[in-house]
Amino acid sequence: NAGVTQTPKFQVLKTGQSMTLQCAQDMNHEYMSWYRQDPGMGLRLIHYSVGAGITDQGEVPNGYNVSRSTTEDFPLRLLSAAPSQTSVYFCASSRSGPNPGELFFGEGSRLTVL
Amino acid sequence: TQLLEQSPQFLSIQEGENLTVYCNSSSVFSSLQWYRQEPGEGPVLLVTVVTGGEVKKLKRLTFQFGDARKDSSLHITAAQPGDTGLYLCAGDTGGFKTIFGAGTRLFVKA
Repeated sequence: NAGVTQTPKFQVLKTGQSMTLQCAQDMNHEYMSWYRQDPGMGLRLIHYSVGAGITDQGEVPNGYNVSRSTTEDFPLRLLSAAPSQTSVYFCASSRSGPNPGELFFGEGSRLTVL
Repeated sequence: TQLLEQSPQFLSIQEGENLTVYCNSSSVFSSLQWYRQEPGEGPVLLVTVVTGGEVKKLKRLTFQFGDARKDSSLHITAAQPGDTGLYLCAGDTGGFKTIFGAGTRLFVKA
């Protein structure tokens, strides 16, 4: 079982560049979310989606865009990368909300912005 | 802003010792989860607690949810090197958002 798949695993960007982090799940989960993990700060919610065509903001949405055109995919776009966006990004999915319960995580994407 | 505060942030103990990790908040949660994360991987669920006062056991791990559903603890009996990792508590707010504590990094020495 693939579960939640994130690509790329590592990426280095220059300030001002844009990129998309890909996330796909094969568990037919309605709920998907993006977190960033920084040392000493735990996981912070960036954006989430409760189903295809529906997205909403989390705790730290600025500088990021998302869309959900299919149940399986939930890409995260960095519009103009900044050094403050250097982090490890995790995509997670769950069966449904409003209490997502168990989140299934991908292996993470480590992003460095120079 | 809802916060989950974990303590201690870091714990280094000898194999065989017991330990307790705490997760506290001023907010009430619909449910609370404990995850374990190893380097280079995503967090993996250990347990979910839902009812105030609930106690769940998973081998040498005991999880407790506070009566008011604002806090939780994780107790490990006779820790082993394989328990080494980052332990995260997470709370469901009922608004499609799961928030996480900063984590407790545990190192168990053989």
